[in-house]
Amino acid sequence: DTGVSQDPRHKITKRGQNVTFRCDPISEHNRLYWYRQTLGQGPEFLTYFQNEAQLEKSRLLSDRFSAERPKGSFSTLEIQRTEQGDSAMYLCASSPTRGFSGANVLTFGAGSRLTVL
Amino acid sequence: DAKTTQPTSMDCAEGRAANLPCNHSTISGNEYVYWYRQIHSQGPQYIIHGLKNNETNEMASLIITEDRKSSTLILPHATLRDTAVYYCIVRVSGGGADGLTFGKGTHLIIQP
Repeated sequence: DTGVSQDPRHKITKRGQNVTFRCDPISEHNRLYWYRQTLGQGPEFLTYFQNEAQLEKSRLLSDRFSAERPKGSFSTLEIQRTEQGDSAMYLCASSPTRGFSGANVLTFGAGSRLTVL
Repeated sequence: DAKTTQPTSMDCAEGRAANLPCNHSTISGNEYVYWYRQIHSQGPQYIIHGLKNNETNEMASLIITEDRKSSTLILPHATLRDTAVYYCIVRVSGGGADGLTFGKGTHLIIQP
């Protein structure tokens, strides 16, 4: 399967601990996105990479959050000193540089669900 | 990005066509209309997109009004597996992040 892979699928942690999520995008896609989704809401944009460069960060991405994509392939999203409010689904998506028909179609992974106790 | 308005929820009988409306009255000329859906506990799935013309693929049809201020996603023969939250998004192509801004979408429930 050549879709977007995310790991782990589920993570339960205690408040104050650090957690890290990994995303493996579709191999030929050089754009990678992180989103967060809380219960009953649509996904919210967090950050975006083109190759290894992080080009945009949302105001939602506090200084406890850091994302990397060191070789322009997989990406990690780390949350330090987790808080209960960080409990959410963390979604990764990827897209090619130039979408067909001039549009930009994102392919999403299944997400990593974080529960902070 | 233009804001979209969708009904919170809709019901449709299995086997019938599901017609999901979306209003985007402030859409700009270079903004595409995208539709994604999200089945419970999965990531969003791309369905279809369009700029001006109506579009059809193996999943659905997209009808965009001539003034582009609204659109309708049509699932021609809904099945129980089509129960999901459907998101209508408008976004300019090119420049910036091209990330998509999701609203709350329409919760479509297919009734047996």
